[in-house]
Amino acid sequence: GAGVSQSPSNKVTEKGKDVELRCDPISGHTALYWYRQSLGQGLEFLIYFQGNSAPDKSGLPSDRFSAERTGGSVSTLTIQRTQQEDSAVYLCASSPVEGGGGYTFGSGTRLTVV
Amino acid sequence: EDQVTQSPEALRLQEGESSSLNCSYTVSGLRGLFWYRQDPGKGPEFLFTLYSAGEEKEKERLKATLTKKESFLHITAPKPEDSATYLCAVRSYGQNFVFGPGTRLSVLP
Repeated sequence: GAGVSQSPSNKVTEKGKDVELRCDPISGHTALYWYRQSLGQGLEFLIYFQGNSAPDKSGLPSDRFSAERTGGSVSTLTIQRTQQEDSAVYLCASSPVEGGGGYTFGSGTRLTVV
Repeated sequence: EDQVTQSPEALRLQEGESSSLNCSYTVSGLRGLFWYRQDPGKGPEFLFTLYSAGEEKEKERLKATLTKKESFLHITAPKPEDSATYLCAVRSYGQNFVFGPGTRLSVLP
């Protein structure tokens, strides 16, 4: 597609449930990033995929968070046993080369844990 | 540890009133400084990359400049459609992008 696509755009879930967030990057982009943006806060790095290399998971806040990227394209961010503090906008971005130039961001998934 | 701060936190301008946004950074070897614009309910939109002190980039009413410690985003004769949150981010060698908290700009007609 022309841009980075994220789904769902909004997700309301009950505390303790698992959720999956999807990111479809721009075709051919080898780098893919997940960020979290809480209300009034800056973007918090979560995880980074580059080609076939092992992902950089250094930003994941707990072991309840995991992500995978299948076939170097679509990525899924999974949050297990959601907590209210997980409520935020989860943003995905991709770029054609590792770290070069700016990212293209998706519109994000707004997650609300009730 | 790489750090980015932005000031002011919020800025209100009248249409046509030029001003500047500041991004101060501390990095262990700058690989790039990036400016983004973010509209409510949307992901950030890439504006500029600056790589070395003294570099300048321009796009319409926006001009970004870079020194060894900070970057400025100058807005000349802003219009209401320039209202958005402007984010600054840095990348150092071996590190992922670190974003600042942003400056919320409101341009009143």
